[in-house]
Parts: sequence; C-alpha cells; structure tokens
Amino acid sequence: AQKITQTQPGMFVQEKEAVTLDCTYDTSDQSYGLFWYKQPSSGEMIFLIYQGSYDEQNATEGRYSLNFQKARKSANLVISASQLGDSAMYFCAMKVPGTASKLTFGTGTRLQVTL
Amino acid sequence: ETGVTQTPRHLVMGMTNKKSLKCEQHLGHNAMYWYKQSAKKPLELMFVYSLEERVENNSVPSRFSPECPNSSHLFLHLHTLQPEDSALYLCASSGPGLNSYNEQFFGPGTRLTVL
Repeated sequence: AQKITQTQPGMFVQEKEAVTLDCTYDTSDQSYGLFWYKQPSSGEMIFLIYQGSYDEQNATEGRYSLNFQKARKSANLVISASQLGDSAMYFCAMKVPGTASKLTFGTGTRLQVTL
Repeated sequence: ETGVTQTPRHLVMGMTNKKSLKCEQHLGHNAMYWYKQSAKKPLELMFVYSLEERVENNSVPSRFSPECPNSSHLFLHLHTLQPEDSALYLCASSGPGLNSYNEQFFGPGTRLTVL
C-alpha cells in the first residue's frame, strides 16, 4: 500500500521569502509519480508540479521546485519568493502503476504568507 | 469555459432528500473521478470512470450512485445521506492512459451539508 506523510499541519512564511513544505512517501514500487497540488479557500485543487521516480533532475515549474531525494523517500516542495496569493493548503500525492489512476494524498499543509 | 466545472457549488440537504452533483470537463479527457474531502482527512477516491465505464469503486456506500453518460459529464446521485457525508466533493479528469502519470485536473468542488 502507498502512503504519503505531511508532518507540517501549518506553516508561516514572510512575503518574498522561500519556504519548504515536507513530504515523505512509502511504496514498494520502483516506478511511481509524485505530485503537488495547491488548494485555495475556493476549494479547487490546482496542479503545481510533477516528479517521476526515474527522473534524474529535480522538477521545476516557475517559482515551484521539487526537492526529490529518492533514497530518503522525500519529495519536498520549495516555493521561492512567496507571494500573498500562495496562502493555501498544499497536498502531496503519489501514483503507482496498476492502480487505475488512483492518487494517494497526504493530509496537507496550510501555508500562510505574511507581510 | 474553465477546464472542470461543478454544480452546485454549495448544497444543503436533509437525510431524506435526493439530489445530484454535476461535473463537466472541457479538456477532452477520457477519465473522470469523484473524490470526497472531509475535514482533517486525506482526499478519498470514490469512483473512477474511463471511457464512460466505471473502473473503480472504492467501497463507497450505495447511497452514492455515480453516472457517466459521456466522457465530458459525470454525475453523483445522492439519496438518504447521513450527516457524516457532509464534505467537499471534488470532481477531476485526466488525459489518455489511465495508468500513466498524467496529472488530474480538479473542479472547484461542491460543499455538501447533510442536516
């Protein structure tokens, strides 16, 4: 069975600073995909970034980067130059082959960006 | 028209009512999903449809009945719900290859309250 652990229920960061949101995962599969989603108070889950288990480079998408440490089974999200609009819930998720497209989600981290 | 839309956005119903949630995707995807998001719990996958056929039913009670008339529309019919069914119900869609790592695109959700 797959499991995603997000140990930070809430985080604060000052505007323009960088922040790291932690995610560890557990799976016995060698092939898997890792995702980060953002959920603002409006409810919609917004896809941010994807990392494949065989990708040698850390994924980056604009101000988002994924710090992938395969041996430690961690996939932390780094947000650079935080903006007030980054305040939201952030979810880490994983998908493995043969699970009919099932995404396993963590419990999320609430990020609050302050002035 | 935005990618994935859901109606209604908010719904309050009594335990004896029958209502339906609607999801529509405008992305040309062929897989659609229903998720339940309860407070302080990870997202729970309820149903997966691929090419209008249900491919996964995650032990969901029969008071929830999905319907996928075509690849763009997904419904969740509700009847005789319980107060613990109150949650945010999220619809998602994804591109070809149910076992690939295509990201899922989510709608804004329906906030359901059962009295």
